Amino acid sequence: DVKVTQSSRYLVKRTGEKVFLECVQDMDHENMFWYRQDPGLGLRLIYFSYDVKMKEKGDIPEGYSVSREKKERFSLILESASTNQTSMYLCASSFRTGQTDTQYFGPGTRLTVL
Amino acid sequence: DAKTTQPPSMDCAEGRAANLPCNHSTISGNEYVYWYRQIHSQGPQYIIHGLKNNETNEMASLIITEDRKSSTLILPHATLRDTAVYYCIVREDYGGATNKLIFGTGTLLAVQP
Repeated sequence: DVKVTQSSRYLVKRTGEKVFLECVQDMDHENMFWYRQDPGLGLRLIYFSYDVKMKEKGDIPEGYSVSREKKERFSLILESASTNQTSMYLCASSFRTGQTDTQYFGPGTRLTVL
Repeated sequence: DAKTTQPPSMDCAEGRAANLPCNHSTISGNEYVYWYRQIHSQGPQYIIHGLKNNETNEMASLIITEDRKSSTLILPHATLRDTAVYYCIVREDYGGATNKLIFGTGTLLAVQP
């Protein structure tokens, strides 16, 4: 069964704190994604990784960084949390088969920055 | 990605089939139709995808019209746990960050007891 896990379901942090969000997949997928989801704005891609130590910026990378030291783990880092980073953060992984690349999501982390 | 049009909401009686329509009249030949759903405050869940043939898995069936301009997701026996927002997406998988998913507003399916 497909499994993507995220380290926390709910997280409350203070402005200026460094925040780590962890994502682990057990499907040996090569691709991993970090999105944020906000009401009225849909899903927005923050970063994407297609291999260990490889990353690409998505649409809204400012204020975020990522780390992928092992294939199964993709971490999102908020260097100095701000209130506008309060959001639902979603991790996904995917594996390309033929012409398709189906993404599987974790349960999400709802982050509140005070 | 081509745009999709879905009704904002639908009701379905528990135990009955739920048929969720999606219009994608500008779909191109290499674009697949994907369906995801999202239960409140949870991550999106992949349901099914197809190119031109009808597809079935343990969750649902996907019926794509011959001209590929519309499709229907069928949940054969809806339960209360199927209450969720259902997203129809058409996309071509180029690879890389262009593989980002773009969700529209979706259809809120409310399964009634």
